[in-house]
Amino acid sequence: NAGVTQTPKFQVLKTGQSMTLQCAQDMNHNSMYWYRQDPGMGLRLIYYSASEGTTDKGEVPNGYNVSRLNKREFSLRLESAAPSQTSVYFCAISFAYQETQYFGPGTRLLVL
Amino acid sequence: RKEVEQDPGPFNVPEGATVAFNCTYSNSASQSFFWYRQDCRKEPKLLMSVYSSGNEDGRFTAQLNRASQYISLLIRDSKLSDSATYLCVVNPINSGNTPLVFGKGTRLSVIA
Repeated sequence: NAGVTQTPKFQVLKTGQSMTLQCAQDMNHNSMYWYRQDPGMGLRLIYYSASEGTTDKGEVPNGYNVSRLNKREFSLRLESAAPSQTSVYFCAISFAYQETQYFGPGTRLLVL
Repeated sequence: RKEVEQDPGPFNVPEGATVAFNCTYSNSASQSFFWYRQDCRKEPKLLMSVYSSGNEDGRFTAQLNRASQYISLLIRDSKLSDSATYLCVVNPINSGNTPLVFGKGTRLSVIA
């Protein structure tokens, strides 16, 4: 039982490149979330999907898009990466919206 | 007033000491409260939920004070392995589309 998996673990991009961060869960939870964490800023919500088929903006959505591919998978896309998007990205899940969240191991992204 | 506020620390304590952290929240309608633990370069993990009556899990005790709008975490007989950042988390319920609000964390360093 892997829980929440994220790929890749690390990524280096050049400014302007695009990439997709993948998140998958095997816990049959309904809600999924994408956060970024920067030093001194804490966790900031980028987008979330309260249930399959829905997505909503969080606190810092600019520069990102998401897709809830199915109940298991929730991807985060950077269309044109910028140095300001250098961060650690965490995917989280919860059985229902606003309930306890469980996090994946994170993706460390460096944009040069 | 920020939604969730924590003293960032660091709290440097010797092994065996008792240490307590407080966290204040601004939304009086908040219904659910949690403490998460985050080790360096790892994902946040649920430490414990905080119930109205308070709850205890081994050396850890969490309490809620609704009148003063704060929650606390007490760690007794600190171990080196308790060194981590502790995140206070609040379910704001009526705060728009924000599922959970995470504090920026309090850093604890237990010293031999």
